[in-house]
Amino acid sequence: EAEVAQSPRYKITEKSQAVAFWCDPISGHATLYWYRQILGQGPELLVQFQDESVVDDSQLPKDRFSAERLKGVDSTLKIQPAELGDSAMYLCASSGDGSNQPQHFGDGTRLSIL
Amino acid sequence: QKEVEQDPGPLSVPEGAIVSLNCTYSNSAFQYFMWYRQYSRKGPELLMYTYSSGNKEDGRFTAQVDKSSKYISLFIRDSQPSDSATYLCAMSLFMDSSYKLIFGSGTRLLVRP
Repeated sequence: EAEVAQSPRYKITEKSQAVAFWCDPISGHATLYWYRQILGQGPELLVQFQDESVVDDSQLPKDRFSAERLKGVDSTLKIQPAELGDSAMYLCASSGDGSNQPQHFGDGTRLSIL
Repeated sequence: QKEVEQDPGPLSVPEGAIVSLNCTYSNSAFQYFMWYRQYSRKGPELLMYTYSSGNKEDGRFTAQVDKSSKYISLFIRDSQPSDSATYLCAMSLFMDSSYKLIFGSGTRLLVRP
């Protein structure tokens, strides 16, 4: 079964440093999502792409977070500078064309800020 | 009040038991309802995907939706230790030209051998 690939699986960094996460969605999936999941909570949407265009970034802290999907395939989420409160699991998901296709998730990047 | 409420558990049951997991919601605009299973240090895995009120069965899993009561359930029959995980309910609504997925906080399930 096709999967959403994410890397790295784990990232430990100090506050004020820059950090980047990468996601490769299921082949052919036009819609890509980045979520943040704090321990004990459900995922919360950060940004949604349709092909290379941002559809929704209303919950993305734009002073420190940025996301891109230049060729409409893989995507990168960046944080600069990282803060202690950014420690969380960052999940990528993708969905196919059509009305409300289900989202399929990768295994995420667990970020720890020291 | 959160849009989607889910008891965090943990819920501990013996192997072979029938498990009932539930979520309530407040927004009647939710259209699609999902259940995801999440193992520790893994991403959520889609288990069930439903639209209308009623029951949907897939193997040992049954999803139930009651839109009039704003209540959804997931039943697991003949539970196995491998079912031990966090179960997330999720609901979608159309807003700002796209569907948004809202998750519950998850229920931790432990199935004892």
